[in-house]
Order: sequence, then structure tokens, then C-alpha cells
Amino acid sequence: AQKITQTQPGMFVQEKEAVTLDCTYDTSDQSYGLFWYKQPSSGEMIFLIYQGSYDEQNATEGRYSLNFQKARKSANLVISASQLGDSAMYFCAMIRVTGNQFYFGTGTSLTVIP
Amino acid sequence: DGGITQSPKYLFRKEGQNVTLSCEQNLNHDAMYWYRQDPGQGLRLIYYSQIVNDFQKGDIAEGYSVSREKKESFPLTVTSAQKNPTAFYLCASSPQGYAYGYTFGSGTRLTVV
Repeated sequence: AQKITQTQPGMFVQEKEAVTLDCTYDTSDQSYGLFWYKQPSSGEMIFLIYQGSYDEQNATEGRYSLNFQKARKSANLVISASQLGDSAMYFCAMIRVTGNQFYFGTGTSLTVIP
Repeated sequence: DGGITQSPKYLFRKEGQNVTLSCEQNLNHDAMYWYRQDPGQGLRLIYYSQIVNDFQKGDIAEGYSVSREKKESFPLTVTSAQKNPTAFYLCASSPQGYAYGYTFGSGTRLTVV
């Protein structure tokens, strides 16, 4: 069975500082994809970043980077230079190559403090 | 612009009534999904469909039903058999075999009173 664990229910960060949101996953698959989504209070899921299990380099998308440590089965999201608009729920998710079902973590609520 | 439309955004129903949530996409995606989200929890898969006229149960299908008569549409019916239907429901779609193109709708918040 696939399982995604996010151990930080809530996080606070000062504006302009960097923050790391933790994510560990459990799978016996060799090929899989890891995603981070942002969910503001309006409810829509906004794609942030993707890492394939065979990608050797950590993914980056603007202020977002994914710290991928395959042996430890960890895929932490790093947000640099936090902005007030970053306040939202953040979900880590894994997708299997066979079938397109996502497995989501329970999320981390991030609050950026001015 | 292409995307997924879920309607309505808010829905109120009396206990014991069936209710149908709409999901339409114009992305020409083959696969469509329904997820349920409860407070403090991640999304859980209810049903998914990879082609027209075919669908499979997800992890929490009990009390729900779906149909996929057209590629663009994947309505979800919350039946009276669903014990705790109050939740936020998200529809998604993706090209077949290409998870990077996964797109979510904006969700429907269902409240049963």
C-alpha cells in the first residue's frame, strides 16, 4: 500500500524567510511521481512542483524546490523568500505509474507572518 | 480556456436525499476522478474512469455512484447510503498515462442538514 506522511499540521514562517515542509512516502514501486500542491482557502488545488522517481536532480520551480532523498523516501518542499500569499494548505502527493491515482498526505497549513 | 468546471460550488441537501455533483472538462482528457476531502485530511479517491462507459471504485466508493456516458462529463451521485456525506468534493482529469497533466476543478462543498 502507498502512504504519504506529513508530520507538520501547522507551520509559521516570517515573510521573506525560507521554510521547509516535510513529506515522507512509503511505496514498493520503483517508478512513481511526487507532487506538491497548494490549496488556498478557496479550495482549488494548485500544482507547484513535480519530481519523478528516476530524476537525479532535485526539481525547482521559481521559489519552490523539492529536496528529494530517494533512499530516505523523503520529498520535502522548500519555499524560499516566503510571501503573504503563500499562506495556504500544502499537500504532498504520490502517483503510481500504473494507474493515475494520487495518494495524498494530510497536509500542512502554512501561515506567513508579516 | 480549457479546464474543469464543477457545479455548484456550494450545495445543501436534506438527510436521506440523493444529490448529484457535476463535473465537466474541455481538456480532451481521457481519465477523470472524484476525490473527497474532510477537514484535517488529504484527498481520498472515490471513483475514477479511464475511458467512456467504464469506471472503477476508489478507496471510499461506498454510498457513491458515477457514470461516464461522455468523455467530457463525470457526474457523482451521493446517495442516501453514504453515512457522512458532508465534505468538500474535488473532480480531476488527466491525459491517459500522463500524471503531470493532472488538473483539478475548484470543488463543491456539500452540506447535508
